Amino acid sequence: SQKIEQNSEALNIQEGKTATLTCNYTNYSPAYLQWYRQDPGRGPVFLLLIRENEKEKRKERLKVTFDTTLKQSLFHITASQPADSATYLCALDIDNFNKFYFGSGTKLNVKP
Amino acid sequence: EAGVAQSPRYKIIEKRQSVAFWCNPISGHATLYWYQQILGQGPKLLIQFQNNGVVDDSQLPKDRFSAERLKGVDSTLKIQPAKLEDSAVYLCASSRGQGVNGYTFGSGTRLTVV
Repeated sequence: SQKIEQNSEALNIQEGKTATLTCNYTNYSPAYLQWYRQDPGRGPVFLLLIRENEKEKRKERLKVTFDTTLKQSLFHITASQPADSATYLCALDIDNFNKFYFGSGTKLNVKP
Repeated sequence: EAGVAQSPRYKIIEKRQSVAFWCNPISGHATLYWYQQILGQGPKLLIQFQNNGVVDDSQLPKDRFSAERLKGVDSTLKIQPAKLEDSAVYLCASSRGQGVNGYTFGSGTRLTVV
């Protein structure tokens, strides 16, 4: 069956460190992969898109990699801040019709 | 630009009752999506509209759920009759064309079925 897997355990890191979140998928060949941030009681907020032919994408303190051989995307936040604490969701375009299916998200806690 | 508007913000109903949610997407966004997010899970796509036509409703439980987007703008999602397992946050999202460059989500409606 098709799966999008994100670590269900919360990631706790110290302020200033780099947070790395993982998104693994099976049985898909997505053309696009997105990352969103979701705060409690709010809808997800779009952060970054990476295409299958792109290895890496950066935006300010954010970096996303996309390895179609490993079927994995890594999401990095450098110089993390307590304000980065949230749940981060990956979403894949699994049938190439630009409908995105979401993982269950990983909660990031950045401690001062 | 104004965001995606959803109402109500919260709703509590008894099982077997009906409920409706409303969404007003960002002006000019042709594509509208309804997602269901159960606590601790990621959003699950229920239905996708392109203007006022349905693109995909394969995951919509059509025996109890219905959705419409009249005039290609606002949309309503209805549940009739509700079940306990329908308790979730219902999120509406929109995008200008295809969703490649990201969806804009509303804050959602939290539904509790008791």
